Order: sequence, then structure tokens, then C-alpha cells
Amino acid sequence: GDSVTQMEGPVTLSEEAFLTINCTYTATGYPSLFWYVQYPGEGLQLLLKATKADDKGSNKGFEATYRKETTSFHLEKGSVQVSDSAVYFCALEGGGNKLTFGTGTQLKVEL
Amino acid sequence: SQTIHQWPATLVQPVGSPLSLECTVEGTSNPNLYWYRQAAGRGLQLLFYSVGIGQISSEVPQNLSASRPQDRQFILSSKKLLLSDSGFYLCAWRTLGSYEQYFGPGTRLTVT
Repeated sequence: GDSVTQMEGPVTLSEEAFLTINCTYTATGYPSLFWYVQYPGEGLQLLLKATKADDKGSNKGFEATYRKETTSFHLEKGSVQVSDSAVYFCALEGGGNKLTFGTGTQLKVEL
Repeated sequence: SQTIHQWPATLVQPVGSPLSLECTVEGTSNPNLYWYRQAAGRGLQLLFYSVGIGQISSEVPQNLSASRPQDRQFILSSKKLLLSDSGFYLCAWRTLGSYEQYFGPGTRLTVT
């Protein structure tokens, strides 16, 4: 079945540091890939998406590129802020109207 | 614009008591609806999803059930809660042809 593997957290960075959160997936066919963000005490919000190979999703300074050859969708940001502190979830949709989520990576950004 | 409501926001229930969590969506019609659970330190687990009134698909056998009595209403229930039912329950919706799922604010359930 479909699965998503994320790097374990928490990830702790200083403000303005470079961020990478790794995500790899296993799926049949050509899934769509997503990053969701969950701020403390809230539900999830879609951060960015990519629907086919080599697509780059971007939003709020975050980027991720759909790499079919390495089955990866790593999240990056060049300069993180304290307000980026949250839990980040990688997810895929392989069909059937369902999302498969990774376990989430907690990001803490300190001054 | 579309909005999604969940209530209650927090709930503390004793073991063996019943449960009813409600989710409603506004501003859209015939959405796909989803219930997820997020246990402490774990990712999201899809519990149920529905593509229409009265149509429920269960992803994981468990102590919970779901119903969709109206197009934009999705209810999660249990007859007798277990300690392992504690967690953060999230409702979500999406429209046909859309990639994005929109999540509600969640319900924090603690079973004591």
C-alpha cells in the first residue's frame, strides 16, 4: 500500500537558518504530493502541493520538488522564522480520494 | 466561502461512556468528508470517509463508527469509549476534482 516516510523530529533551528525536512514515499502509479502544516492547537492547513513529476510547489517561502526518480518531496526554506514553528506533514494521494500522511515533523525555531 | 465546524473543541469522558463528535461544512455541496485521529506523538490516521449521504467507508477496525445523515454533516460516535480512543480528532472535506483537503479545528478527546 501507499506510505510516506518523514524525518523524525523535533528539528530545532535558529531564526534565519536553512530548513530541510525530508520526505520519501511509496506508491503505485503517479500520486499527488502535499505538505500540510499544523500550528499549535489547530487543524491542518495545506502548505503546498505538486501533482506531477518535476513540479515545484511553493508557498510562504517554502518549496518542495516532486522527484519521481528518488520518490522524494523534501520541504525547504531558505530562512526560517519563529512563526514557522509548527508540525509539518508530508502526504500523498494515490487515488481513491484518500490522503496518506507521514508521521509529522515538529519544527522549533528559536531566536 | 467555505467553512468547517467541529464541536466540541475539547472533551473529557470516562471509560465506557458514549461519544458523539459533530462536523459540519458550509458553503459547498456534496463534499467528500473525512475523520482522522492524531494520537500523541503520531501522525494522522484516517478513520472514516464518505462520498455521499449514508455512504461510509471504514479504514481501520475499531471501537468507533461514523454516520452522514445530511450532505454536509459528519458524525463520529462510540457506544463505549476506551482509553485508547484518546486523541485529537480532525474532520476534513474536499470537493470532487480538487486536490486539497480542508481541515476543521479539531476536537481534543481525553478518555479517563
